[in-house]
Amino acid sequence: AQSVTQPDIHITVSEGASLELRCNYSYGATPYLFWYVQSPGQGLQLLLKYFSGDTLVQGIKGFEAEFKRSQSSFNLRKPSVHWSDAAEYFCAVGPGSSNTGKLIFGQGTTLQVKP
Amino acid sequence: GAVVSQHPSWVICKSGTSVKIECRSLDFQATTMFWYRQFPKQSLMLMATSNEGSKATYEQGVEKDKFLINHASLTLSTLTVTSAHPEDSSFYICSAGLDRNNSPLHFGNGTRLTVT
Repeated sequence: AQSVTQPDIHITVSEGASLELRCNYSYGATPYLFWYVQSPGQGLQLLLKYFSGDTLVQGIKGFEAEFKRSQSSFNLRKPSVHWSDAAEYFCAVGPGSSNTGKLIFGQGTTLQVKP
Repeated sequence: GAVVSQHPSWVICKSGTSVKIECRSLDFQATTMFWYRQFPKQSLMLMATSNEGSKATYEQGVEKDKFLINHASLTLSTLTVTSAHPEDSSFYICSAGLDRNNSPLHFGNGTRLTVT
């Protein structure tokens, strides 16, 4: 069955420190992969997505993610975190070539940024 | 600015009443919209796919008679929670539009439903 796992429910980092949020997926074929950010009481904003090609994907707000097929991972990284990055982050997977727009989301990682 | 608008952003209703939530695409046409539900501190779960001009496709375990979806125009889908109960209290989010890879284009800001 398709699934997405975000092992870290809650992460705290200091402002200016680097960040890595983990995401592992289970899917038979090559999926489409997404990272979204959600501020409290708000909808989702797309940070970046991977469909094919270069496995290192650049997104908005200085985020990047790397697709590693051998590890079934799509970890999100940022070299220097800003206080405004505090939010909920969701990794999601879509069914690739048969994509219908339906996404399966991970359980989310709450990022707290210390001043 | 927002390209998908959800209304209302929050609503409180009494148990047994029905609540309608709207999802509008503001400057594009969306033949497909998706409705998600998010429980506190949990992930988003797809409830149904809303198709303009035809019946919605519901995910397994979602009661179609409980969560009525109408996609009457290319810019509007509505989700009606019928005979609401406290366990229906949740955050409901829609997405509208698909890009050339059939991936969701835009999400609304969500609707917080509280049933008392």
